Amino acid sequence: AQSVTQLGSHVSVSEGALVLLRCNYSSSVPPYLFWYVQYPNQGLQLLLKYTTGATLVKGINGFEAEFKKSETSFHLTKPSAHMSDAAEYFCAVRNMEYGNKLVFGAGTILRVKS
Amino acid sequence: DSGVTQTPKHLITATGQRVTLRCSPRSGDLSVYWYQQSLDQGLQFLIQYYNGEERAKGNILERFSAQQFPDLHSELNLSSLELGDSALYFCASSDSYGYTFGSGTRLTVV
Repeated sequence: AQSVTQLGSHVSVSEGALVLLRCNYSSSVPPYLFWYVQYPNQGLQLLLKYTTGATLVKGINGFEAEFKKSETSFHLTKPSAHMSDAAEYFCAVRNMEYGNKLVFGAGTILRVKS
Repeated sequence: DSGVTQTPKHLITATGQRVTLRCSPRSGDLSVYWYQQSLDQGLQFLIQYYNGEERAKGNILERFSAQQFPDLHSELNLSSLELGDSALYFCASSDSYGYTFGSGTRLTVV
């Protein structure tokens, strides 16, 4: 079965610093991977996704993620953090064994310090 | 607006009661997924429907049920509510390219 592990439930960075949110997956088949962002009291917004093809995926708001099969990782990065990036971020993998549902990690809360 | 509509946005009800949450998927999407988000359990998959038929079941309690109607909207019914059912309930729809989430229904059981 597919699963996702997000390392670090809380990450704190200074404004302008590199953002790195870690995600490792487990999958017996080539995975479809996703990053979602959730702002306080809002729903889940898709940042980016990897299905096939290019392993470096660019998303919205300057975020990108790289699929590394050898490391079973899909880490999310942004070169320079903005205050508006403060939110909770979820990594997810598509479970193709049973209905194509998304399986989510526990989430990482990103705090941006001024 | 994501294209997935959930109503109501907020719901406050007493223990033992029954509520119905509604979801309208994006136009053309046949799959609907329900998730529960709580502080202690995170985002948990409840159930999926595809074109009116149940496709997959997750950690859904027997007190909960769902259905998808011919117009593809879906309803999640929660009965005999307990304090622990207080959570944010999300609906998502999907096509071959990805998944789109609604803004959720926040259920508070008092």
